[in-house]
Amino acid sequence: SQELEQSPQSLIVQEGKNLTINCTSSKTLYGLYWYKQKYGEGLIFLMMLQKGGEEKSHEKITAKLDEKKQQSSLHITASQPSHAGIYLCGAPRGADGLTFGKGTHLIIQP
Amino acid sequence: NAGVTQTPKFQVLKTGQSMTLQCAQDMNHNSMYWYRQDPGMGLRLIYYSASEGTTDKGEVPNGYNVSRLNKREFSLRLESAAPSQTSVYFCASSGAGGTTQYFGPGTRLTVL
Repeated sequence: SQELEQSPQSLIVQEGKNLTINCTSSKTLYGLYWYKQKYGEGLIFLMMLQKGGEEKSHEKITAKLDEKKQQSSLHITASQPSHAGIYLCGAPRGADGLTFGKGTHLIIQP
Repeated sequence: NAGVTQTPKFQVLKTGQSMTLQCAQDMNHNSMYWYRQDPGMGLRLIYYSASEGTTDKGEVPNGYNVSRLNKREFSLRLESAAPSQTSVYFCASSGAGGTTQYFGPGTRLTVL
């Protein structure tokens, strides 16, 4: 079965600084989803990447998919307190749901 | 649109009690899913339903049953709750073909 490993597990960043979260798969990636979860709440969809080399941006968040490396990265530019939370990557299990990484806890220090 | 709704938000059960978690979506999605989220384990798929009238086991189905009542509703039942089922349960839905899944706010369940 496919496993997704996220790094780092937790991250403390000063407000205004840039940061990167990685998601590495044990198998070939045929798509990759990024979600954000605020503590005690549900998952909010951020972005979906489908093709190798694909890059998407939304506001100050950019995600890339490197199929050859079986890896995706999520980059936040000029971090803000609103970026704090848990970031989760997920990969399709075929037609039956997603396999998720264990998440990266992001704390933004003022 | 409400998206995906779940009830209840919180629940405390005693070992051996039963309960049903409810989930409904208003996005006309074909597929619906139940996940559980545990510290250090991430989210794991319990059951899913690719369309009305069908259900299939996911990664951790033992101790659970599901019902796809209609296209909108997908319920998860614990027949005899155990402390190992203490978790946060999320329902999600997606359109056909494995498109983006949208999640509900979760049900936080504690089994004593």
